[in-house]
Amino acid sequence: NAGVTQTPKFQVLKTGQSMTLQCAQDMNHEYMSWYRQDPGMGLRLIHYSVGAGITDQGEVPNGYNVSRSTTEDFPLRLLSAAPSQTSVYFCASSYSVTGGQPQHFGDGTRLSIL
Amino acid sequence: QQQVKQSPQSLIVQKGGIPIINCAYENTAFDYFPWYQQFPGKGPALLIAIRPDVSEKKEGRFTISFNKSAKQFSLHIMDSQPGDSATYFCAASGGYQKVTFGIGTKLQVIP
Repeated sequence: NAGVTQTPKFQVLKTGQSMTLQCAQDMNHEYMSWYRQDPGMGLRLIHYSVGAGITDQGEVPNGYNVSRSTTEDFPLRLLSAAPSQTSVYFCASSYSVTGGQPQHFGDGTRLSIL
Repeated sequence: QQQVKQSPQSLIVQKGGIPIINCAYENTAFDYFPWYQQFPGKGPALLIAIRPDVSEKKEGRFTISFNKSAKQFSLHIMDSQPGDSATYFCAASGGYQKVTFGIGTKLQVIP
C-alpha cells in the first residue's frame, strides 16, 4: 500500500514550457486535491476533485489545469510555466468528500521555473 | 483573506518544554480542525484532529485545546523532544473538503 505517490520529485523548467505533475493513490479515495506550498503562505489549494470526472477550482487555480479520468490518478498540468509558479506542489487524497476526515499527502514535487 | 490565522511562525524551546501553537478562525461553518506535522522533504501528515463539540483532545504528548466561542484552538506538545522539530500546520474545513491551512509554525526543540 503506497498511499499517495507523486512524480517527479524534482523538476526544473524554463519559462513558457509546459509539464504535467503526476499523482496517484491506491487507497480508493474519492477526494483528491493539489496544493502549492510557499514560504510564509502555508498550503494553498489549487484544484480538487470529488470523484472521477468531477473537478473544481481552489484558491489559486490560474495557470493550472486538472482532469480526473480515474479514481486513482489526478494529474496537474502547467500550461505555460512562469517563475511565479516556482513552488513545492503536494497532492493529497481523502476518504471523505464531505469533510471531517484527514487528508493523506504525497512527498511533493519541487518545481523551479527559470 | 486568511481564514485561519496561525502564530507564531517560528518557535524555539528546550527539550522538555511545552511549545504552544495558536490558531484562530473566522468561518463558523468550519467543523473539523486537524493539525498536520511536516518534516523537511516530506508531505504533511495528520497529527491530531478535533471537532467543535469537545474542548480538549489528547493523543500521547499532543493536546488540542478548542474554544468555540472565541473561535480559537491551540496545539500543546508536552515534554517536547528534538524529534518533534518540524513544521506544524493547523487547518479547518467544513462541508465539502475545501480545507484551509494556517501558514505554519516551524518548531525547533533544542537538546
